[in-house]
Amino acid sequence: DAGVIQSPRHEVTEMGQEVTLRCKPISGHNSLFWYRQTMMRGLELLIYFNNNVPIDDSGMPEDRFSAKMPNASFSTLKIQPSEPRDSAVYFCASSDREGSEAFFGQGTRLTVV
Amino acid sequence: GNSVTQMEGPVTLSEEAFLTINCTYTATGYPSLFWYVQYPGEGLQLLLKATKADDKGSNKGFEATYRKETTSFHLEKGSVQVSDSAVYFCALTSGGYNKLIFGAGTRLAVHP
Repeated sequence: DAGVIQSPRHEVTEMGQEVTLRCKPISGHNSLFWYRQTMMRGLELLIYFNNNVPIDDSGMPEDRFSAKMPNASFSTLKIQPSEPRDSAVYFCASSDREGSEAFFGQGTRLTVV
Repeated sequence: GNSVTQMEGPVTLSEEAFLTINCTYTATGYPSLFWYVQYPGEGLQLLLKATKADDKGSNKGFEATYRKETTSFHLEKGSVQVSDSAVYFCALTSGGYNKLIFGAGTRLAVHP
């Protein structure tokens, strides 16, 4: 398996624009997680899905952020409108069973100018 | 709630020195414990794990033992190399859905 695949790897956008980050989890994994990493706040769990259903979105910072998982092989994280404080590295991760490790993608580095 | 506390960095060592990075946790039930490593510009990779009390996880010369009595999972390596320079994260999952809770991360810098 190619692992968790995220796209794009880098995104530079202007404030106010819509940004969509994409993730393809490892085939057969039924849990998917979106994390945000910044120097100030470290790794924050934004939202996670189990069997394509959002289980906990309490980490989503505000209504400008939304996430979907229309099927088992694809998820998106959308920010609209984007702001400079959204600049961070966004990671997607997946896992296959309780107690097992999560596998991370390479991340998307988002810069909002 | 569940949480992970790890020692603040940066930790700076000379090559071949002994490494310890402390990690303690608070959790309901019986968590699984993990150490992840993040090299510059990359995502997180699993370094080792332990799923029950007294288990020892090991990989690439790193070790950590799940201590339920002290709620700890300290990372150790007997002789570090320059290539071990990275950020190390302690983490746990507890309950369903494999929700991973991370510590703040500890940056390790190893000098020749």
